[in-house]
Amino acid sequence: QKEVEQNSGPLSVPEGAIASLNCTYSDRGSQSFFWYRQYSGKSPELIMFIYSNGDKEDGRFTAQLNKASQYVSLLIRDSQPSDSATYLCAVRTMNSGGYQKVTFGTGTKLQVIP
Amino acid sequence: DVKVTQSSRYLVKRTGEKVFLECVQDMDHENMFWYRQDPGLGLRLIYFSYDVKMKEKGDIPEGYSVSREKKERFSLILESASTNQTSMYLCASSLQGGAEAFFGQGTRLTVV
Repeated sequence: QKEVEQNSGPLSVPEGAIASLNCTYSDRGSQSFFWYRQYSGKSPELIMFIYSNGDKEDGRFTAQLNKASQYVSLLIRDSQPSDSATYLCAVRTMNSGGYQKVTFGTGTKLQVIP
Repeated sequence: DVKVTQSSRYLVKRTGEKVFLECVQDMDHENMFWYRQDPGLGLRLIYFSYDVKMKEKGDIPEGYSVSREKKERFSLILESASTNQTSMYLCASSLQGGAEAFFGQGTRLTVV
């Protein structure tokens, strides 16, 4: 089982709709959860992070965390063509050496159709 | 402005060569990371460092080594390049316990 799993997509949504991106993780001891956006040919950039169960909102973005179900999601409201990108879920855990490490999922490609 | 700079954007090397990928950050971050990114496999951690002269293996360290002699610089070394090391290599840095990792622009390495 992969440590962090995402559906590779592509996920296609019409402009103005809500895009829902999902991620599951295997390590129950995971502490912190991140969503990065990566445009084609560019490096990833952080858009959201969440540490506690529940929802966290920032503008059009909402991150949701359910530690019991080991599930984290990203909602994008009023999707715009400029949101078309690959979204990477990342999870921070403690490795066997006692150091924190961040593991990324393979990413979900989002296409917003004008 | 936050900056992580990788020495090369594109690199072509021959099989068996020793390859150095350099990464410099100007944010005084403690943590630095090297990832490779391949289609369908996502970002995979090769090595990371939490302090000068300190290194930890990531998930795929085989065939690689690293060096961190100064806080701002983290080098990835391919001891003897092989074609299966053809990939996009991304360096990142973050504050200790910080939420955000800042990425460099990436180095696309081709081993022929």
